[in-house]
Amino acid sequence: QKEVEQDPGPLSVPEGAIVSLNCTYSNSAFQYFMWYRQYSRKGPELLMYTYSSGNKEDGRFTAQVDKSSKYISLFIRDSQPSDSATYLCAIRPGGDKLVFGAGTILRVKS
Amino acid sequence: NAGVTQTPKFRILKIGQSMTLQCTQDMNHNYMYWYRQDPGMGLKLIYYSVGAGITDKGEVPNGYNVSRSTTEDFPLRLELAAPSQTSVYFCASSSLGGLRTEAFFGQGTRLTVV
Repeated sequence: QKEVEQDPGPLSVPEGAIVSLNCTYSNSAFQYFMWYRQYSRKGPELLMYTYSSGNKEDGRFTAQVDKSSKYISLFIRDSQPSDSATYLCAIRPGGDKLVFGAGTILRVKS
Repeated sequence: NAGVTQTPKFRILKIGQSMTLQCTQDMNHNYMYWYRQDPGMGLKLIYYSVGAGITDKGEVPNGYNVSRSTTEDFPLRLELAAPSQTSVYFCASSSLGGLRTEAFFGQGTRLTVV
């Protein structure tokens, strides 16, 4: 079983929509989760990270963890065309490795 | 403020040829990583290093080799290129391996094996 799984999409939404991006993870011991954003032909960049309990909000972005179902989500409010990118969830299973999900391709249409 | 630098940006190899993808970072980071990214498959870890002289295999190490003789450099070697190694390769570094430590990525190397 993969340590983290993510639906690759693609996901296409109109400008202003609320976007929900999701991942599942395999080990209930995982505590920290990260979201990276990758624009076309660029390397990924850290968007935000969250701990295993509760939500974390940063502007239009909210990261959420559901520990009971081993499910992590990234919500984007009032989505903009500039949000069009690939979003990757990531975990550090043992602290050293950094493991990514497949990434979800998001397109926000103006 | 260079960060993580990868060279070359693009390369076309013939089957059976060898090449080295270069990666250097100027942030004095101990941890460095090599990933490959195929469409719809996310980033797969090839090799990683927790410090000079120490390397370890990731998820997909076959067909690749690495070395880490200095803190700054982490080259990835392809000995006998195969079409299955056509991919985009990313190098990354982080200061620590801690759970919340951010990894910084290079711009990638697009490799085509024909």
